[in-house]
Amino acid sequence: EVQLIQSGAEVRKPGATVKISCKVSGYTFNDYNIHWVQQAPGKGLEWMGLLNPEDGKSTFAEKFQGRVTITADTSTDTAYLELGSLRSEDSAIYYCSVSGLVTGTDAFDIWGQGTLVTVSS
Amino acid sequence: EIVLTQSPGSLSLSPGERATLSCRASQSVSSTFLAWYQQRPGQAPRLLIYGASNRATGIPDRFSGSGSGTDFTLTISRLEPEDFAVYYCQQNGYSWTFGQGTKVEIK
Repeated sequence: EVQLIQSGAEVRKPGATVKISCKVSGYTFNDYNIHWVQQAPGKGLEWMGLLNPEDGKSTFAEKFQGRVTITADTSTDTAYLELGSLRSEDSAIYYCSVSGLVTGTDAFDIWGQGTLVTVSS
Repeated sequence: EIVLTQSPGSLSLSPGERATLSCRASQSVSSTFLAWYQQRPGQAPRLLIYGASNRATGIPDRFSGSGSGTDFTLTISRLEPEDFAVYYCQQNGYSWTFGQGTKVEIK
């Protein structure tokens, strides 16, 4: 069974950095892109960026460039999202997802359960 | 950036009724790159439709997708209680963007 299991909720102060994880199982980690999606409270979905675990290269939405880092540890089949210079607007649920695994397209086949990040002084 | 506009913003219907959700793109999107997701309260989104009209694994046949170019539609033929949720369209042909969502509520 394919699973994406994310790390638990985090609370940070404004200006701090947060790093959340997404551990995958049930498929070959290197073979499919991992994406991160932000969902602010009561709002819609916003694509943040993706990582190609095979070559370690990442691509970001313009809004998040410069503040977001996406990395992977292929020894543990885990992807990471790091968001710096946190501000209150970054309070949101962050989802990881994998594309191409089931449908062979760039749609997001399987999703993690989400990680709540709260930014508060 | 391709902007997706979903309408209506919310839809109030009764179980057993038909729901028709629209997604309009700011520029033409190949059908191959249009997907629909369902998000129930407190849950992660899940893929319903990919390639504009292909149901994802395990999705009931009361869900169907259609459209081309800039206009796409998700239809739920007969609403079941578990279908009351928020639905998002997504284009994944030129980067990735989502529509703002349509909430299907119980009337």
